[in-house]
Formats: sequence, structure tokens, C-alpha cells
Amino acid sequence: GAVVSQHPSRVICKSGTSVKIECRSLDFQATTMFWYRQFPKQSLMLMATSNEGSKATYEQGVEKDKFLINHASLTLSTLTVTSAHPEDSSFYICSASSVEWGYNEQFFGPGTRLTVL
Amino acid sequence: GQQLNQSPQSMFIQEGEDVSMNCTSSSIFNTWLWYKQDPGEGPVLLIALYKAGELTSNGRLTAQFGITRKDSFLNISASIPSDVGIYFCAGQRRSSGTYKYIFGTGTRLKVLA
Repeated sequence: GAVVSQHPSRVICKSGTSVKIECRSLDFQATTMFWYRQFPKQSLMLMATSNEGSKATYEQGVEKDKFLINHASLTLSTLTVTSAHPEDSSFYICSASSVEWGYNEQFFGPGTRLTVL
Repeated sequence: GQQLNQSPQSMFIQEGEDVSMNCTSSSIFNTWLWYKQDPGEGPVLLIALYKAGELTSNGRLTAQFGITRKDSFLNISASIPSDVGIYFCAGQRRSSGTYKYIFGTGTRLKVLA
């Protein structure tokens, strides 16, 4: 149980284009989903938190207009990187938690590697 | 953003040896968790700790939630080659109505057969 999927696993795009990444909870209802960014050989840094049906809460320094997050259902959240630039190249990982577990644990997706040319 | 201090940063060990790593913070957390991340994949939960002083095992893994709630350690006994990977601690606290994680800097483990 508690499986989280991400799509796509890898994406390469041209500078200036937008890229959408999907995060799905496959066997549970994800009350809250989180988006992280991880640069090579570094730790995971939280970008934003989204609750189903609400606007996302962004961490300090993360541009909300650049990283659009939508959490329209209890099993799907999307992250759209708008007008991507090479410095946005990174490994993006989502996670999900549920009120059923008291929010104590987050289960992570397999990640999406974004390369902006 | 804030990160937890994790040590050692990396280590090479011989197969069969025991491994110990720890995580420290200047602030208190309600929950401590340990994850393992393989290259190109997302982190996988190893152990979750919910109470100060709690000692929990999962197979060859043992972790403890420090009594001060500001630290945790993870031990791996009798390491095997598949233990290779990056181990992250994470502290969880409630912030703005949401439970958030702060991750450690990671310990990169390499096991020599």
C-alpha cells in the first residue's frame, strides 16, 4: 500500500517552454501532497505543500508564478514549470500523506528528472 | 532552506560491518524518520519514530529518537552490498497547519564486497 507514482520520469524541453509533472496516489487518498526539488548530490528541499481543493503554500524563495501547483483531487497533484530555463533543471519529487495516518508519514514518488536545454 | 546536520557525509565500509549515522538539529521535532534513496529514485521510508527515547528496529536497521527530540541515529547491522545508497533523516513538525519535513544533508554509504 501507499504507492505514489509520477509522470513523466524524465523530460527534456527547450528553454522558454512549460512542463507539467503529475503526481498520483494509487491506493490511498492523499489529503496533502508535497513537491520537492533535489539538485545533484544534495538533499531534498521542500518547494510547496498542497491540500486538496486549496491553493498551494509555497516555501520562502519559491516563485509561485513559475511553479504552478494544482491539487484538484485526492489522488492527483500537478506541478507545472512555466517558461523553464536551464537553471530549473533538477530532480523533482512529490510525496503524499493522508489524514488517515495522522499525517505522520509521507510516501514519495519515484521522481521526475527535468532537463532544460 | 533549513536542513538538519547529518554525519558522516559519506562512508566506505566492508560487507558485514555495522554502520552508524546520526542526525542533529537545533530545534525540536515531533517525529523523526529515516529514508533511503537509490540513484534516480525517490526516497523510501525505512523507520519512523514518534516518541522521544523510542528505539525501533526494522530487520537489520535500528533507529532511536533522541530524548531531547533534537537528534536521532540509525544503525545498520551486518551490511550487505544492497545497502549502498544515500540515507536521509527527516524531522517533522507542524507549520502553518501542515506537517512538514526538514531533511538532513544525507549520508552516502558504499559497501565493499
